[in-house]
Amino acid sequence: KNQVEQSPQSLIILEGKNCTLQCNYTVSPFSNLRWYKQDTGRGPVSLTIMTFSENTKSNGRYTATLDADTKQSSLHITASQLSDSASYICVVTYSGAGSYQLTFGKGTKLSVIP
Amino acid sequence: GAGVSQSPRYKVAKRGQDVALRCDPISGHVSLFWYQQALGQGPEFLTYFQNEAQLDKSGLPSDRFFAERPEGSVSTLKIQRTQQEDSAVYLCASSLGISRWGVNSNQPQHFGDGTRLSIL
Repeated sequence: KNQVEQSPQSLIILEGKNCTLQCNYTVSPFSNLRWYKQDTGRGPVSLTIMTFSENTKSNGRYTATLDADTKQSSLHITASQLSDSASYICVVTYSGAGSYQLTFGKGTKLSVIP
Repeated sequence: GAGVSQSPRYKVAKRGQDVALRCDPISGHVSLFWYQQALGQGPEFLTYFQNEAQLDKSGLPSDRFFAERPEGSVSTLKIQRTQQEDSAVYLCASSLGISRWGVNSNQPQHFGDGTRLSIL
């Protein structure tokens, strides 16, 4: 069964600190891996998309890494801000037969405190 | 606006009633997805459209759930004879979805803010 596991489930950090969120997956065949940010009461917003040939991608203070061999990804947030408080969701896409489907992790709930 | 629009934002219904949730995707987006998100969980795939064709409905939890996109733009998710376990946020997402080589699964998905459905 295709699965995406994220850790930690929740995290509290001080404003200005860095943090790293983890994602392990078993989805196959793999097409790409995405990280989304979801604010409370809002839809997810895409941060990064990486195919199997990419092992790192940055978007401002967000840097995602991907190891397709070990099926692991991480999202590193530098110099955290209060507005970074949200759920961060790892999503893996598999595709085939003209269609594709996304499998979502349960997310890591990040709280940045002053 | 230029984003994905969902309506209503909130819907309260009594158990047994039928509900219809609407999604207006970004203009020109070929692919459209519906997801169900329970409280504290990640979204779960329900169904996928490419233009008006429903290519994958494997995530629909029962035959009470029905989705359509008759003209390849606006989509409606209908739930018949609602039950309390149907209470969730229903998210719609669209993506450009097509490259010159066909379906492109590497396009970003743009989500609406969802419809929060509460069944009493």
